[in-house]
This record gives sequence, structure tokens and C-alpha cells, in this order.
Amino acid sequence: GESVGLHLPTLSVQEGDNSIINCAYSNSASDYFIWYKQESGKGPQFIIDIRSNMDKRQGQRVTVLLNKTVKHLSLQIAATQPGDSAVYFCAEKNTGNQFYFGTGTSLTVIP
Amino acid sequence: EAQVTQNPRYLITVTGKKLTVTCSQNMNHEYMSWYRQDPGLGLRQIYYSMNVEVTDKGDVPEGYKVSRKEKRNFPLILESPSPNQTSLYFCASRGDGNWNTEAFFGQGTRLTVV
Repeated sequence: GESVGLHLPTLSVQEGDNSIINCAYSNSASDYFIWYKQESGKGPQFIIDIRSNMDKRQGQRVTVLLNKTVKHLSLQIAATQPGDSAVYFCAEKNTGNQFYFGTGTSLTVIP
Repeated sequence: EAQVTQNPRYLITVTGKKLTVTCSQNMNHEYMSWYRQDPGLGLRQIYYSMNVEVTDKGDVPEGYKVSRKEKRNFPLILESPSPNQTSLYFCASRGDGNWNTEAFFGQGTRLTVV
């Protein structure tokens, strides 16, 4: 079956620094990827997505990079703020329209 | 306000007693899905629906049923709940199958089966 994993379960960064959260996926046929943010007691919140025909996509303070050669996805957060502290999940969609999520990376921003 | 609403937010039930968790969205979204979230396992998709009367199994459908009789509602049914279905459940919706729109999640339903 599918597996989506993350390189690190926790990440601590200093306020104002850039954060990079990584994700590996296993299905080379996956065609769509999403990053979600989940704060304690809340449902996941969409951050940014990318299709498999793209290598990079930028949003407001966030950038997603997709490396299909090594099946790797990353989320970069610029100028990390205390409000960015949360668990971040990557998700991949297979061609059958099913979504598979990673287990998450807990980001802590140190003031 | 665009939202996905789940009810109840918290539920404690006994093994074998049928229950339904409701999910409703007010965005006229076509795609809806149910997930369960367990420590160390992340979010796993239970069922999804591409449109009215169209449902498909996700990664962990055993022990669950769904229905999509109308666009806005996508209830999750546990015919005979068991303790291994104790989990945090999320409903989600998005506009269409072209994956051009943001996905919205509900606030979650914490289910405990004793």
C-alpha cells in the first residue's frame, strides 16, 4: 500500500528563522500533494498544494517543493512566527482519488 | 461562512450500539471524505464520495458505512462499533475532483467505544 512519511517527528526553530519540513512518499504515480497544518483541538487546515507536473509552488510565506525523482516533498515557511507552531502533514493523492497522509511533524517556534 | 460541520463533537458509546456521525457542508462541494486520526498513524481515509450516490472505499473502510443521498451531507455509520474504532474522526470536503480548490475539514468527532 501507500506510505507517506516524514523525516523528523519534531522540529524547533527560532522565531524569524525559516522552517523546512520534509516528507517522503512511495507512490510514483501520485499526482497531487497537499500540506496541512493542524493546531491542537482543531481539524487540519489547508496550507498549499502542488500537482505532479510542477516542481515548486509559492504561497504567502510558504513554498512547496516537489522532487519526483526521489519522491520527496518539502514545505518551507519563511520568517516563522509563533502562530506557525502546529503539526504539519503532507498528503498525496493517488490516481484513484484516495488520499494518504503522513504522520506529521510537530513544529515549535521558540520566541 | 464556509464550513464543514460534524456532530457530535464528542461521543462515548458501548460496543455494538449503532451510531451515526453526521457531516454537512455549505459550500456545494462535490467531493467529501471521512478520515480517522490515531496517534502515530496520522490521518487515514475511511470513505470518500465524488458526488451524490457515488461512494468509494478509502484505506480503512472496514466496520464503517457511508451514504451520499444529497450533496451537502455525508454521514458516517458504525453499525456495530468496537473498541478499535475509538479514534478522532474528521470529515472533509472540496469543490471538485479537479483538485483546484482548497479542502475544508470539520472540527472533528472524538469517539470512544467501551
